[in-house]
Amino acid sequence: IAGITQAPTSQILAAGRRMTLRCTQDMRHNAMYWYRQDLGLGLRLIHYSNTAGTTGKGEVPDGYSVSRANTDDFPLTLASAVPSQTSVYFCASSPAGGAKNIQYFGAGTRLSVL
Amino acid sequence: EDQVTQSPEALRLQEGESSSLNCSYTVSGLRGLFWYRQDPGKGPEFLFTLYSAGEEKEKERLKATLTKKESFLHITAPKPEDSATYLCAVPNAGNMLTFGGGTRLMVKP
Repeated sequence: IAGITQAPTSQILAAGRRMTLRCTQDMRHNAMYWYRQDLGLGLRLIHYSNTAGTTGKGEVPDGYSVSRANTDDFPLTLASAVPSQTSVYFCASSPAGGAKNIQYFGAGTRLSVL
Repeated sequence: EDQVTQSPEALRLQEGESSSLNCSYTVSGLRGLFWYRQDPGKGPEFLFTLYSAGEEKEKERLKATLTKKESFLHITAPKPEDSATYLCAVPNAGNMLTFGGGTRLMVKP
């Protein structure tokens, strides 16, 4: 059982370039999330999706977009990367939406924007 | 505004030296508190959920407790494999999780 798979594991990106971080889950969970983790700031929610076909904005959505065409995939796109988007990005899923549900995390994508 | 603060930021223990990690929160109506463990280079892994003041949960050398304003993660006789970052999180007004900054625990043999 793979759980949540994120790709790439790490990436160095030139500022201004477009980048899509991939996230796939095999647990048939309805809800999925994208977080960024920065030293001293903890995990902050970027975008979420409570079910396929719907998305919502989290705490820090600016500069990011998501789509949820099916249950399993939840890609995160940086349309024009900036250095402040250097971070570690985690995808997570839960059986249903709402904060009372346990979230299961992927291993993360380490992104550096130069 | 919902806030979650963890202390200390880092904690060094000798193997067998018991201690506690703190998670204090300010939320409008507590709807649960989560503890996660994060190993270097990996994503957080769920440990416990606590729902009401006075509740306690245990797993191996870890025990989590909850009051109306804070939660403690007690570590009894820790081993080097307990070294990790421990995160707590609470549901916020938007029905999403607000995470604390974490406590990085290092247990020396």
